[in-house]
Amino acid sequence: QVTLRESGPVLLKPTQTLTLTCTFSGVSLRTSGVCVSWIRQPPGKALEWLALIDWDDDKFYSTSLKTRLTISKDTSKNQVVLIMTNMDPVDTATYYCALSRPRLLPGWYFDYWGQGTLITVSS
Amino acid sequence: QSALTQPASVSGSPGQSITISCTGTSSDIGGHDYVSWYQQYPGKAPQLVIYDVSNRPSGVSNRFSGSKSGNTASLTISGLQAEDEADYYCSSYITTTTVFGGGTKLTVL
Repeated sequence: QVTLRESGPVLLKPTQTLTLTCTFSGVSLRTSGVCVSWIRQPPGKALEWLALIDWDDDKFYSTSLKTRLTISKDTSKNQVVLIMTNMDPVDTATYYCALSRPRLLPGWYFDYWGQGTLITVSS
Repeated sequence: QSALTQPASVSGSPGQSITISCTGTSSDIGGHDYVSWYQQYPGKAPQLVIYDVSNRPSGVSNRFSGSKSGNTASLTISGLQAEDEADYYCSSYITTTTVFGGGTKLTVL
């Protein structure tokens, strides 16, 4: 059974840096083809993909946010970390981590999701 | 990369079929078959219901089906049930990135 859980601060002030941790079980990032993404959803709004890291340590970022994002992994701990700099109130959202299973075709889908964590940015 | 375009809302009565459209461009939906759909209940995480345009993950009801024509993908839910009331998001993989649609709220009357 694959499970994911996000953890991080609940409240941030503008300009601060967000550090989120995704801890997962039931699968290893050593397994070829496994990927973990971060996706966010502002209250009442749509999903937005942020970043992905794969088993081979390849990293991919949203074009619009890539200057503010850093994704990394700790395979031994089954954790993926997302750092987002210069937080603004518009970054208030529920942040999800999601895991993609290996597949033979290109691309990735989000097969398993964490419950999400609401991050509020306010002065 | 711009978000994919979905209708804000659709509705249907129990037993009916509904279709949700998702319009992109030749650079995303029209350029390949890596389109997926997610179902999201209020306060819950999304769940994958369709991938590669028309494939269903294990455990997803066969009342859910997907298709694509040109730059538009579609999700059809047949035999509508009260439990289908949720938000639905389409998504397209575009080499090294992913874009979502704006979401569609499905109301079962």
